[in-house]
Amino acid sequence: KQEVTQIPAALSVPEGENLVLNCSFTDSAIYNLQWFRQDPGKGLTSLLLIQSSQREQTSGRLNASLDKSSGRSTLYIAASQPGDSATYLCAVTNREYSTLTFGKGTMLLVSP
Amino acid sequence: DVKVTQSSRYLVKRTGEKVFLECVQDMDHENMFWYRQDPGLGLRLIYFSYDVKMKEKGDIPEGYSVSREKKERFSLILESASTNQTSMYLCASSLGLGEATQYFGPGTRLLVL
Repeated sequence: KQEVTQIPAALSVPEGENLVLNCSFTDSAIYNLQWFRQDPGKGLTSLLLIQSSQREQTSGRLNASLDKSSGRSTLYIAASQPGDSATYLCAVTNREYSTLTFGKGTMLLVSP
Repeated sequence: DVKVTQSSRYLVKRTGEKVFLECVQDMDHENMFWYRQDPGLGLRLIYFSYDVKMKEKGDIPEGYSVSREKKERFSLILESASTNQTSMYLCASSLGLGEATQYFGPGTRLLVL
């Protein structure tokens, strides 16, 4: 059964720092990997989707990489801002029904 | 923009009540999903549907059922609500098999007393 782990569980940084969030998964037979953002009490917003054949995806200050063979992904946030404060969730898609298996998330706090 | 709506943001019910959580998407998506989210446990898949009248069990289907009579609507049913079903419930939809970008609704926070 697929398991997804995210490290660290929580992270606090001053504004302006570059940071890396980590995600690992146990079964490398994935369709793709997705990073989400969740604000407190809200639903999830998709940030980046990396297909299994891709190595990375970029959107603005966000860059996500995927190393399928080692079962790892990282989300790099450049020049962090207080508005980036949220919980970041990593999820992988299994091949059969495209269902997602989520990690438990990294809670990020960026202080001014 | 894809829009996924859920019928209630907050809901308070009593133990033993039958509870309906409704989810509607407006983008003609084939797949729809119900998750629950609990502190320390993350998001867990309850049920999903890849076509009208089709349903599949997720990781934690016990105590729940679902209904998908129309493509745009996916209902989660708690036949007899229990206190351990107090949770945040999130609905999502995606275009089809292989298209895994899931779009989430705002969530329903359910409290069972």
